[in-house]
Amino acid sequence: NAGVTQTPKFQVLKTGQSMTLQCAQDMNHNSMYWYRQDPGMGLRLIYYSASEGTTDKGEVPNGYNVSRLNKREFSLRLESAAPSQTSVYFCASSRQELTEAFFGQGTRLTVV
Amino acid sequence: DQQVKQNSPSLSVQEGRISILNCDYTNSMFDYFLWYKKYPAEGPTFLISISSIKDKNEDGRFTVFLNKSAKHLSLHIVPSQPGDSAVYFCAASAIKAAGNKLTFGGGTRVLVKP
Repeated sequence: NAGVTQTPKFQVLKTGQSMTLQCAQDMNHNSMYWYRQDPGMGLRLIYYSASEGTTDKGEVPNGYNVSRLNKREFSLRLESAAPSQTSVYFCASSRQELTEAFFGQGTRLTVV
Repeated sequence: DQQVKQNSPSLSVQEGRISILNCDYTNSMFDYFLWYKKYPAEGPTFLISISSIKDKNEDGRFTVFLNKSAKHLSLHIVPSQPGDSAVYFCAASAIKAAGNKLTFGGGTRVLVKP
């Protein structure tokens, strides 16, 4: 069972470079999310998509954009990477309201 | 301002004893609570949840207690095992909020000593 798949697993960027983090789920879930994890801060929501065709800002959206390409895929784009975006990024999905979210293995991003 | 707080960043416990993890929240709209477990280099995995209509939910060695008046929940692990060594995150959600967004605490690192 693949569940939630994120690519790449590791990435190093130079300040100002752009990149897209990919996420796909094979559980037919409606909702998808992007979180970032920083030491002592837990996981903070960047953007979410409650259903195909909709996206909304989370707690820390600045510097990011998202695309819900179809029901399976939800990508996160950094247009101009900054050192403050060095973090571990997790994609997650959930079936409906009040069910637990399933997470991918994460992308460790370093911006130098 | 963090709406979900885990005030103990770490916890060390002897194998076989009880682990108690605590979590406090400030948003009175939260009515669904979850605990996640995370190993290094892996994504968080769901452990147990509780709705605000209950004050206790049990699943094997794991029990979650909810005190709504105090806006406090706790996770009990009995007995603790070395494989329970991980980071545990408390999370909360509001039923009426669109998208089932989870707000997470900062995590508690648990070390179970053999």
